[in-house]
This record gives sequence, structure tokens and C-alpha cells, in this order.
Amino acid sequence: GAVVSQHPSWVICKSGTSVKIECRSLDFQATTMFWYRQFPKQSLMLMATSNEGSKATYEQGVEKDKFLINHASLTLSTLTVTSAHPEDSSFYICSVLGGVTSTDTQYFGPGTRLTVL
Amino acid sequence: QKEVEQNSGPLSVPEGAIASLNCTYSDRGSQSFFWYRQYSGKSPELIMFIYSNGDKEDGRFTAQLNKASQYVSLLIRDSQPSDSATYLCAVKVQGAQKLVFGQGTRLTINP
Repeated sequence: GAVVSQHPSWVICKSGTSVKIECRSLDFQATTMFWYRQFPKQSLMLMATSNEGSKATYEQGVEKDKFLINHASLTLSTLTVTSAHPEDSSFYICSVLGGVTSTDTQYFGPGTRLTVL
Repeated sequence: QKEVEQNSGPLSVPEGAIASLNCTYSDRGSQSFFWYRQYSGKSPELIMFIYSNGDKEDGRFTAQLNKASQYVSLLIRDSQPSDSATYLCAVKVQGAQKLVFGQGTRLTINP
């Protein structure tokens, strides 16, 4: 598989501030990463597909100006939640595509829990 | 109709028994199927993937795929309390890299 880290694991911020979440592929060069959010007792919701060196592809209904994604290297993608509001409080999870055993399998990071006050 | 459907449960199974989790999907062209386990408050972890019709075994887990019926299942043998979690079925979108997830089945193994 692939080993994926996220930082921070949790963050609390005030409404109106911006928060950056990092996703790192530790043992694999990931051309493609994904960002999800998950509300309590709900399934994963894909926010965007991030390809190294190009603009992210956002899912319908996801505001690209609010959720800024940068995939500047093969091991790092970042998600910035701009002007966060309480309704943005959620569990944000990244995944990387591929690995040594399967090229179309996604491996998930541990997630970042965001609380906006 | 949802693209990937799972019974949300909860599914309760006694320890040592076989747990059977089911998933149906709508895209007949799908070729890659995945099962993930998610403990409460944690991110999903891959259990196994399956591409071909039939069974695929990995330890206590067996994935079964029937493309004609658009059906994929996961069997857990000798269920343990540590298997209590939500199990997510995911199907790779044809022609794309992304996955579509079912809503998950919450499984509880009773000691």
C-alpha cells in the first residue's frame, strides 16, 4: 500500500480565519490525491481530485474559491479552507492513488478534524 | 437510484460467526471494487480490492464479485469484536480515477 500522513490531526479556529491542511505521501510518489469531507454518521464526500502540477478538479457543489487545493509536489497536497465558518466543521480526509500493489487503489490519511467556532 | 448501495445496518453478528456485507452498484461498466473498514472517529483503511468475478480471499476476509448481477460482497469469518466498524463499499468510476462510496454498513460483533 501507501503510507499517508496529514497535519494537523485536529484544529480549532475562529470563524473567518483560514486553515491549511497538509497531506503527505510518505513512501510513494503520488501523482493523484483526493480530498474528502465526512460529516458525523455520513459517508465520505469527495471534494476534489488533485493532480500534481495542475489545477484540481472539484466536484459539483464544492466552492473552489473556498477550498483551495495545491499539489505542488509528488508527495504533498494542501487544502486551505478560506474564511472558515461553523458549517465547515467536519472531518477532512485525503487519499493517494496507487502504490506498489495496485495502481487504482486509494490509501487514506488519518484525517483532520476541523472545528470552527 | 444511488450509484452504490449498502444496507446501513446496524448488522449484529455473534462472535465467531460469519458476517456478510452486501453492496450493489449501478454502473455496469465498473471494473474495480474496494472494501474499506472505518472505525469510529478514524479514516477508512483498505481491506481488499477485487477486479474479477468470483471470490478473493485474504485471511478471514473474502470478497465476492458478480458483475452480471452488479453485486459485490464481503464475508468475514470467525468474527471478532475488533471487527466492529463501518464497512464501506467503493466502486471506481469508469473512465475516471475517483471512487463512489456506499453509505456504509455498521457492523457490531457481540461477544
